[in-house]
Amino acid sequence: EVQLVESGGGLVQPGGSLRLSCAASGFTFSSYSINWVRQAPGKGPEWVSYITSTSGTIYYADSVKGRFTTSRDNAKNSVYLQMNSLRAEDTAVYYCARGSRGGYYFDNWGQGTLVTVSS
Amino acid sequence: QSALTQPASVSGSPGQSITISCTGTSSDVGSYDLVSWYQQLPGKAPKLMIYEVNKWPSGVSNRFSGSKSGNTASLTISGLQAEDEADYYCCSYAGSSTFMVFGGGTKLTVL
Repeated sequence: EVQLVESGGGLVQPGGSLRLSCAASGFTFSSYSINWVRQAPGKGPEWVSYITSTSGTIYYADSVKGRFTTSRDNAKNSVYLQMNSLRAEDTAVYYCARGSRGGYYFDNWGQGTLVTVSS
Repeated sequence: QSALTQPASVSGSPGQSITISCTGTSSDVGSYDLVSWYQQLPGKAPKLMIYEVNKWPSGVSNRFSGSKSGNTASLTISGLQAEDEADYYCCSYAGSSTFMVFGGGTKLTVL
């Protein structure tokens, strides 16, 4: 069974930093791209970042470019989202989602981790 | 404001069919057959229901179907059941610079 488990969320002050982790199991992790998708309270999902299986290509949404960094460790079956210079509008549940073989849809999602940016 | 436009709500009675629209532009929905649909139950993560406009993932009921015409994609749910009551989101590939865009979501109420 495919499992994605996010961790690392919490309350952080504006301007602060947080590092999210996504631990994967139940599939050949090194063969799949992974995405970060966030969902602000009462809003629709927003794609945040994409990383290919080999980390050869990484994309970011304009809203986080220059502040967030995505990385992965295939030996640990994990993906990370380093979030710096956090703003109130970054408050959301952050999901990691497995990319399809072609990369253009999200076939499995984690349960999400809540990030709250507030003073 | 979301990149793709969906109606805020739709409703239907058990057994009926409903259709949810998802309107984008020639830069996303209109250019690629890479529209996907997700169902989200309260407090849960989204679940893939349709991919590449009209394909079913394993385990998803064929009561759910997708289509696309021009810049608008649609999700149709036939034979509505109480368990279908949820929020539904469309998503489209939008090229390598924007990558993926979502709709704002549609709340389905089964009367």
